[in-house]
Amino acid sequence: RKEVEQDPGPFNVPEGATVAFNCTYSNSASQSFFWYRQDCRKEPKLLMSVYSSGNEDGRFTAQLNRASQYISLLIRDSKLSDSATYLCVVNNKNTGFQKLVFGTGTRLLVSP
Amino acid sequence: GAGVSQSPSNKVTEKGKDVELRCDPISGHTALYWYRQSLGQGLEFLIYFQGNSAPDKSGLPSDRFSAERTGGSVSTLTIQRTQQEDSAVYLCASSYQDRSYEQYFGPGTRLTVT
Repeated sequence: RKEVEQDPGPFNVPEGATVAFNCTYSNSASQSFFWYRQDCRKEPKLLMSVYSSGNEDGRFTAQLNRASQYISLLIRDSKLSDSATYLCVVNNKNTGFQKLVFGTGTRLLVSP
Repeated sequence: GAGVSQSPSNKVTEKGKDVELRCDPISGHTALYWYRQSLGQGLEFLIYFQGNSAPDKSGLPSDRFSAERTGGSVSTLTIQRTQQEDSAVYLCASSYQDRSYEQYFGPGTRLTVT
């Protein structure tokens, strides 16, 4: 079983739609959680951290459920520019540094 | 300011040859990471540097892979006797030591072994 699991998609949605991605992680010792975004043939970039109480950044809302080891990302009012792969990332502190473990990503396609 | 840079951007090599991939981290970032990403796969951790030392080499897939970092800055990943399964995008990232969750990635080197 992979340490971080995501539905690969693709999720095809029209502009303006609301879409949600889920992610599960297997290591209960995971301490921090993030969503990174990766455009086609580009490098990953940090989108947002995920806090226990849930957090929002504009149209993006992230939620964490530690009991179920589950993370979600909600995107409201989707834009064409949101088309990308969204990587769920967990941080397992290991040997004094924070080791990021990446999921394989969920691909989002937003159409006009 | 300047981001993480990597060179070459693309490398095609014949099976059995050695290759060197270079990473220039963001100035002042003490932590440096190497990952690889195969087609349709997630990022696979290879090695972590703090300064010039590598406390975690656990992700290097075989002894054909090695990496070094000099002057707390530039890092080189070397793959000896390349195999076709080494074909992937090799990504370098850097971060401040105390905020290593926010890793800044370079554009990657796309390696193709023929």
